[in-house]
Amino acid sequence: EVQLVESGGGLVQPGASLRLSCAASGFTFSSHWMQWVRQAPGKGLVWVSLINRDGSSTTYADSVKGRFTISRDNAKNTLYLQMNSLRAEDTAVYYCERGGVPGGFDYWGQGTLVTVSS
Amino acid sequence: QSALTQPPSASGSPGQSVTISCTGTISDVGGYNYVSWYQQHPGKAPKLMIYEVSQRPSGVPDRFSGSKSGNTASLTVSGLQAEDEADYYCSSYAGSYNYVFGTGTKVTVL
Repeated sequence: EVQLVESGGGLVQPGASLRLSCAASGFTFSSHWMQWVRQAPGKGLVWVSLINRDGSSTTYADSVKGRFTISRDNAKNTLYLQMNSLRAEDTAVYYCERGGVPGGFDYWGQGTLVTVSS
Repeated sequence: QSALTQPPSASGSPGQSVTISCTGTISDVGGYNYVSWYQQHPGKAPKLMIYEVSQRPSGVPDRFSGSKSGNTASLTVSGLQAEDEADYYCSSYAGSYNYVFGTGTKVTVL
């Protein structure tokens, strides 16, 4: 069974850093592109970042470029999102997803909540 | 990276059909056949319902169908059921390994 379990969320002050993790199981992690998507409370889904199978190629939404870094450890079957210089507008549930179909993401984790507030 | 435009709400009675539009540009929806649709129930993670404009993952009822014309994609839910009441989001590949989501549509089963 495919499982994606996010962790690392919490309450932090503006300007702080946080690293999210997404532990994958039930499939060959290194064979799939992965991405992060976020959803602010009561709002819609927003694409955040994408990484290719071996981690050599990454892309970011303009709103997080230069502050967030996506990475992966295929030996540990884990996806990461390093978030620096956090702002109030980064407050959201962060989901990780598996790229399992052409142009689509077929499995999602349950999400982890990040709250940026003083 | 502007969000794709969806109507805020749509509704239908049980057994009826509802169609949700998703309008983008030639740089996303119109330029690629990589449009996906996701269903999200309150407090739950999104679920993939359609990919590559009109393909259904295994396990998704054939009541759900997708199409595209120019810069607008559409999701149709036929034979509406109570469990179809949820938020629906479209997503499109936008080139250079970027993706964009739609603004979301709340579907109500009357």
